[in-house]
Amino acid sequence: DVKVTQSSRYLVKRTGEKVFLECVQDMDHENMFWYRQDPGLGLRLIYFSYDVKMKEKGDIPEGYSVSREKKERFSLILESASTNQTSMYLCASSLNSADEQFFGPGTRLTVL
Amino acid sequence: GQNIDQPTEMTATEGAIVQINCTYQTSGFNGLFWYQQHAGEAPTFLSYNVLDGLEEKGRFSSFLSRSKGYSYLLLKELQMKDSASYLCAVNGGSQGNLIFGKGTKLSVKP
Repeated sequence: DVKVTQSSRYLVKRTGEKVFLECVQDMDHENMFWYRQDPGLGLRLIYFSYDVKMKEKGDIPEGYSVSREKKERFSLILESASTNQTSMYLCASSLNSADEQFFGPGTRLTVL
Repeated sequence: GQNIDQPTEMTATEGAIVQINCTYQTSGFNGLFWYQQHAGEAPTFLSYNVLDGLEEKGRFSSFLSRSKGYSYLLLKELQMKDSASYLCAVNGGSQGNLIFGKGTKLSVKP
């Protein structure tokens, strides 16, 4: 079974803190994605990566950066957390561009 | 622009059949996915359509018409555990990124 894990299920941070969200997949998938999910807005793509050290901006990259140093790991970084970044963050991976995406359990981030 | 529309909420009765519609306008199309998401959990894959027609998988079926930019998810013999949000997503990017609709929250009542 494909397994996508995320470092935390729940996280509480202060405004201005640097936040790291980690995602690891164990199926040698090429593509990895970071989404945020907010009520009434659905899933929105922040960044994605189709290879090690490669990254592409999604629909809402502002305020975020990513890192993919190893194939199995994709990190989302909030350089200076703000209250409007309070959200559910979901990581996903897929074998290639035509395959379904497998999602991690999500990290519910609250920024106070 | 990219747009995917689906109803916000639907209610149905246990044992019945429900159809959840999805219309899309995207710059590219490499297939359409349906995901199920229970409250507080991650989305899980239900179906994938890339050619016109109906794909059946147990109690769930999904239909696609590319010329109409239209898909539906059909759930038969509804069970209480089918209460969830159903997300329509189009693979419209060159790198396989999905464009998601806002989801349809289905409530199944006894």
